[in-house]
Amino acid sequence: DAKTTQPNSMESNEEEPVHLPCNHSTISGTDYIHWYRQLPSQGPEYVIHGLTSNVNNRMASLAIAEDRKSSTLILHRATLRDAAVYYCIWGDAGNNRKLIWGLGTSLAVNP
Amino acid sequence: EAGVAQSPRYKIIEKRQSVAFWCNPISGHATLYWYQQILGQGPKLLIQFQNNGVVDDSQLPKDRFSAERLKGVDSTLKIQPAKLEDSAVYLCASSFLAGGPNEQFFGPGTRLTVL
Repeated sequence: DAKTTQPNSMESNEEEPVHLPCNHSTISGTDYIHWYRQLPSQGPEYVIHGLTSNVNNRMASLAIAEDRKSSTLILHRATLRDAAVYYCIWGDAGNNRKLIWGLGTSLAVNP
Repeated sequence: EAGVAQSPRYKIIEKRQSVAFWCNPISGHATLYWYQQILGQGPKLLIQFQNNGVVDDSQLPKDRFSAERLKGVDSTLKIQPAKLEDSAVYLCASSFLAGGPNEQFFGPGTRLTVL
């Protein structure tokens, strides 16, 4: 069973910020939150992960709610190459950090 | 750094035939994963290896699917006999370590069509 809830699809305009939400209300205190994305006809690609604090890398930022029941992936300036399915996943700490994937959010970026 | 290699990229077979997929992980990565991704769904873990030992195969349909990782490097996934519902993309991924928030690196996948 997928343990995260994400919108099925979202749309953005090029060069605008995108906020992709994710709910994970039953996450435990030691489970990491991971984000991957999958471009058409490619394998998934790692984006970012976090535990409690907000995280930044060259691709995106991850904002984690204080109660850890939700998080938001932030793409600061969307480009056409960011059009993909974005998966919010948690690693099951009780199962060797097994990643359980849901359906993800399909992001469309308009020129 | 070379990525995860998979072959073939595409395969079409008839039901009840056999098929095998091959994966070469990133050099030095101890952990190797096989996922099945049905169209419109997220990947589902079939089996996870740590070196050449199986860590998790709880979702592998063992009556028809088998996998091995010889010498802790390359891996093959076999389906025998194939069913129509096995039509999917089979993804191989590797990571440096098992456990912890380790980044998984994915190959391009093998798209299997069972007729």
